[in-house]
Amino acid sequence: SQQGEEDPQALSIQEGENATMNCSYKTSINNLQWYRQNSGRGLVHLILIRSNEREKHSGRLRVTLDTSKKSSSLLITASRAADTASYFCATVSGGYQKVTFGTGTKLQVIP
Amino acid sequence: NAGVMQNPRHLVRRRGQEARLRCSPMKGHSHVYWYRQLPEEGLKFMVYLQKENIIDESGMPKERFSAEFPKEGPSILRIQQVVRGDSAAYFCASSPPGRSQETQYFGPGTRLLVL
Repeated sequence: SQQGEEDPQALSIQEGENATMNCSYKTSINNLQWYRQNSGRGLVHLILIRSNEREKHSGRLRVTLDTSKKSSSLLITASRAADTASYFCATVSGGYQKVTFGTGTKLQVIP
Repeated sequence: NAGVMQNPRHLVRRRGQEARLRCSPMKGHSHVYWYRQLPEEGLKFMVYLQKENIIDESGMPKERFSAEFPKEGPSILRIQQVVRGDSAAYFCASSPPGRSQETQYFGPGTRLLVL
């Protein structure tokens, strides 16, 4: 089964609105990361949040982590059409930092 | 500093042929990871290598698939006797040694199509 499960699977919003994606996982982690993938392209690293952190910001991105609930959320504020992509959470765990990806949320921002 | 390079970007093979996918990690990176992504799905871990060593191949199918990361040259993911189900995007990622290993840098992927 997936270590990370994203919710929702797909999200469609108007430009300017905020987009929130959630990720749940099962095992203990060292840190959690969010990646973005444009259609047919590779992954781009967005942000990393460590297991002892609760919230982190980077530009229009805000990530929260609740280790007691084993969940994380990614908030994109003031969305733009260029934010249209798939977003994946990835948990990092173990001695050699094994990365396990979730199933992804497909975000569509309508201009 | 060039990013992670993968080639070819697209590969078409007939059933039964061999596919060889190459990955050149970023300069200074000694860790390489291979992932497979089926259409509309997330990335599935296949194998983690350091120079000349396979560290974790728990995600690699037991048969037909092999990976290497020689002392010199790129990492190679080799799929023998390909079947239609091998059609997917194969991504390579690399990371530097030490604590920085936790962030992986991804290549553009190789899209394999088996006819």
